[in-house]
Amino acid sequence: QQQVKQSPQSLIVQKGGISIINCAYENTAFDYFPWYQQFPGKGPALLIAIRPDVSEKKEGRFTISFNKSAKQFSLHIMDSQPGDSATYFCASLGAAGNKLTFGGGTRVLVKP
Amino acid sequence: GAGVSQSPSNKVTEKGKDVELRCDPISGHTALYWYRQSLGQGLEFLIYFQGNSAPDKSGLPSDRFSAERTGGSVSTLTIQRTQQEDSAVYLCASSLGIVNGLGTEAFFGQGTRLTVV
Repeated sequence: QQQVKQSPQSLIVQKGGISIINCAYENTAFDYFPWYQQFPGKGPALLIAIRPDVSEKKEGRFTISFNKSAKQFSLHIMDSQPGDSATYFCASLGAAGNKLTFGGGTRVLVKP
Repeated sequence: GAGVSQSPSNKVTEKGKDVELRCDPISGHTALYWYRQSLGQGLEFLIYFQGNSAPDKSGLPSDRFSAERTGGSVSTLTIQRTQQEDSAVYLCASSLGIVNGLGTEAFFGQGTRLTVV
């Protein structure tokens, strides 16, 4: 199974700070890169996603940066809030579109 | 409308017993996925159903695991002769069609937490 490597495993940030999570993928055929947010006891929910034809996508306080040549993409959470405390997963989808490959997850804790 | 529904939400079973986990996808969604999430780990793909096509079973970890989808809707994941390493949260997701990053996304249920004692 193609790998998606995610770092860090956990992150503590003060309220108002910036949370940055990084992912690296191996398969150049991947062409869709979503980020999922998961709260305890809940299933993951799509947060924001990007396709490789753009280098950055911003939705509110959440931004994805994409570096195709380095096969890396990252999630930036600006002005982090305690309500952002959750586990975040990056994922990749190949051209066949039949399954998402997930990173290992990053547990983010935003301290008030 | 209702989201993806999974039952039971929690299941404790003895080692060696068989278990069945159920997933009700969003109405009209043709694609259905099962993932496994072990404690503190990422999501591991298990199996994928799309319409009437043969399922992609490439992620099933052993022949103790099987899944079926009846009538293109409800799916059941069966684990036979459960082992302690099967303890995990089993997540089901559905999508309107193939997830393609062009408006079709996967929606997850809340999962079934399986504990094998």
